[in-house]
Amino acid sequence: NAGVTQTPKFQVLKTGQSMTLQCAQDMNHNSMYWYRQDPGMGLRLIYYSASEGTTDKGEVPNGYNVSRLNKREFSLRLESAAPSQTSVYFCASSDPGRRLFFGSGTQLSVL
Amino acid sequence: AQSVTQPDIHITVSEGASLELRCNYSYGATPYLFWYVQSPGQGLQLLLKYFSGDTLVQGIKGFEAEFKRSQSSFNLRKPSVHWSDAAEYFCAVEIMDSNYQLIWGAGTKLIIKP
Repeated sequence: NAGVTQTPKFQVLKTGQSMTLQCAQDMNHNSMYWYRQDPGMGLRLIYYSASEGTTDKGEVPNGYNVSRLNKREFSLRLESAAPSQTSVYFCASSDPGRRLFFGSGTQLSVL
Repeated sequence: AQSVTQPDIHITVSEGASLELRCNYSYGATPYLFWYVQSPGQGLQLLLKYFSGDTLVQGIKGFEAEFKRSQSSFNLRKPSVHWSDAAEYFCAVEIMDSNYQLIWGAGTKLIIKP
């Protein structure tokens, strides 16, 4: 049982480059999330999707876009990467009991 | 504005000793409360949660937490820590009617002395 799968695990970008982080869950969860984690700041919500076909902004959406491709997949796109987007990114899904299940993260460096 | 405070950035505990990690929140009503653990290089895993009822909740790996409304606190405890408990611990509060959005504390890194 894979749970939440994120790709890639590591990525280095130059300023201005674009990339898409992929996320898929196999637990039939309706809600999915993208977080970023920075030292000393806990997790901050970028975007979330309460169900297939809907997406909403979280606390720090600027510079990002998302797509809920289907119930399983929720991707995060950086259109023009900036050094401030250097971070660890986590995808998560939640069950009806409000329990979050996390992927193993993507470590992104923007030079 | 809602916030979650974990006052201790690092805590060092000897193996076998007891542990208490502090969490205070600022929120208008009684929120839903969570503790998650993150092992190095991994995603987060739920330890326990409080929604209502008995204010002492039991979680996985021998952890428990107590909700104290008067102190706006939800401290995590374990009677005897093991080296495998070394990790970072995050307290979180759910914003009501927000499709499960959480406000997260900054985390407490637990270091275990042999």
